[in-house]
Amino acid sequence: DTAVSQTPKYLVTQMGNDKSIKCEQNLGHDTMYWYKQDSKKFLKIMFSYNNKELIINETVPNRFSPKSPDKAHLNLHINSLELGDSAVYFCASSYSWRNEKLFFGSGTQLSVL
Amino acid sequence: AQSVTQLDSHVSVSEGTPVLLRCNYSSSYSPSLFWYVQHPNKGLQLLLKYTSAATLVKGINGFEAEFKKSETSFHLTKPSAHMSDAAEYFCVVTPTTTSGTYKYIFGTGTRLKVLA
Repeated sequence: DTAVSQTPKYLVTQMGNDKSIKCEQNLGHDTMYWYKQDSKKFLKIMFSYNNKELIINETVPNRFSPKSPDKAHLNLHINSLELGDSAVYFCASSYSWRNEKLFFGSGTQLSVL
Repeated sequence: AQSVTQLDSHVSVSEGTPVLLRCNYSSSYSPSLFWYVQHPNKGLQLLLKYTSAATLVKGINGFEAEFKKSETSFHLTKPSAHMSDAAEYFCVVTPTTTSGTYKYIFGTGTRLKVLA
C-alpha cells in the first residue's frame, strides 16, 4: 500500500488552463504539505494543513488554491497556468506539525506549454 | 533566520570508497536536522534525523551524520559507497521553537555519483 499517493504522475497542459493535483495519505497523519521542486531541484514549501486547517501559506500566487476535505486528503488546484508553474509538485505528510519526519509522495511533474 | 547550505552540488566517488556530503546550517534556536534522499523520478525518503538526543545519528542504508554545534555542521557519511547510493541528497533544518509553525528548510541538494 502506498503511504502517500498523488495523481496524476505527469500533467502536460497549455498555458491558461486550470488543473488539479490530488493527494491522499493512509498513514493517519494529521499534517499534510505541498512542496514545489524547480528545475534546479530546489524544494520549497507552498502550503501546510493540520487537521484540515491551513497553517502554512507561503508566498504563492493566489492562482494556487489548496483544499483539504479531510485530514487524509490535500488537493492542489491551479488556475490560469503559466509557463513558470512547470515543476515537480510533491505532496507530503507528517504525524504532526511538530518537527516530525515527512513522508513524500512520488511527485507530479507539471509541464505547461 | 534559519538556513541550510550544502557545500557541494555534485560529489563523485568510486564504489567501495567513503562518502562525505557536507551540510552547514544556521538557526537561532536549537534545530532539528534531517537528511533526505531522492532517487531519480522518486519522492524523498528520510535517511536520518537529529533531535538533540545524540550527536552521532545512524540512519538507513549505512549512512550516518554527526551534529557539531561548534561548527554548525551536520555532514552525512558512509564508509563504503554502493552503486545504489547514486541519488540526490537534501539536508533539511527546522528550528525547535516553543510557538509557531515548523518550516522545513531544504538545502539545494547534492548529487552523488558512484563510479564503478
